[in-house]
Amino acid sequence: DTAVSQTPKYLVTQMGNDKSIKCEQNLGHDTMYWYKQDSKKFLKIMFSYNNKELIINETVPNRFSPKSPDKAHLNLHINSLELGDSAVYFCASSQQGGGYGYTFGSGTRLTVV
Amino acid sequence: DQQVKQNSPSLSVQEGRISILNCDYTNSMFDYFLWYKKYPAEGPTFLISISSIKDKNEDGRFTVFLNKSAKHLSLHIVPSQPGDSAVYFCAALTQGGSEKLVFGKGTKLTVNP
Repeated sequence: DTAVSQTPKYLVTQMGNDKSIKCEQNLGHDTMYWYKQDSKKFLKIMFSYNNKELIINETVPNRFSPKSPDKAHLNLHINSLELGDSAVYFCASSQQGGGYGYTFGSGTRLTVV
Repeated sequence: DQQVKQNSPSLSVQEGRISILNCDYTNSMFDYFLWYKKYPAEGPTFLISISSIKDKNEDGRFTVFLNKSAKHLSLHIVPSQPGDSAVYFCAALTQGGSEKLVFGKGTKLTVNP
């Protein structure tokens, strides 16, 4: 059983399109995250939700909109895709309370052409 | 502004020897530190963590050392095995509040048979 699953694994799309990435966790965790790993390999947080409530919203363009229908799901919708959005996007979840660490999904490689 | 720094992008060691991966941080508010391991095309997986109230934590072949005064931590792998070849990310967080994980850029470890 996959703990944190995200789909699709690969996504190739043209500039200007709108796309979504879905994430689901079956760990019963309260908090979910989206991280972006850019071409320089930095893993940077974009958003976090705790029990469907937005907790962290880093300086991300408002073309990126997370949606959490319930605490087991956190989807990422991206409008008007740009070349610079090409990256690997990781979903993660954690139980609030520090050092338990995050459980990550396997990533979605987004390529904008 | 990199709050967590891994200054060695790569490290190569012989099987059976010790691997030492280093990490420095600048934010004195961090109180939990974690190491993640990442294979290609997979998400990072939690390896080991340490609270700021400790200076050492050991789990099998993996030991993390924390030097708070120097704002430095290191991961020791003894003995190193070819299966340990991966990218290792150092990460830190401040417990309470948003608890977002801040990652270093990663060090690619290669263990040669």
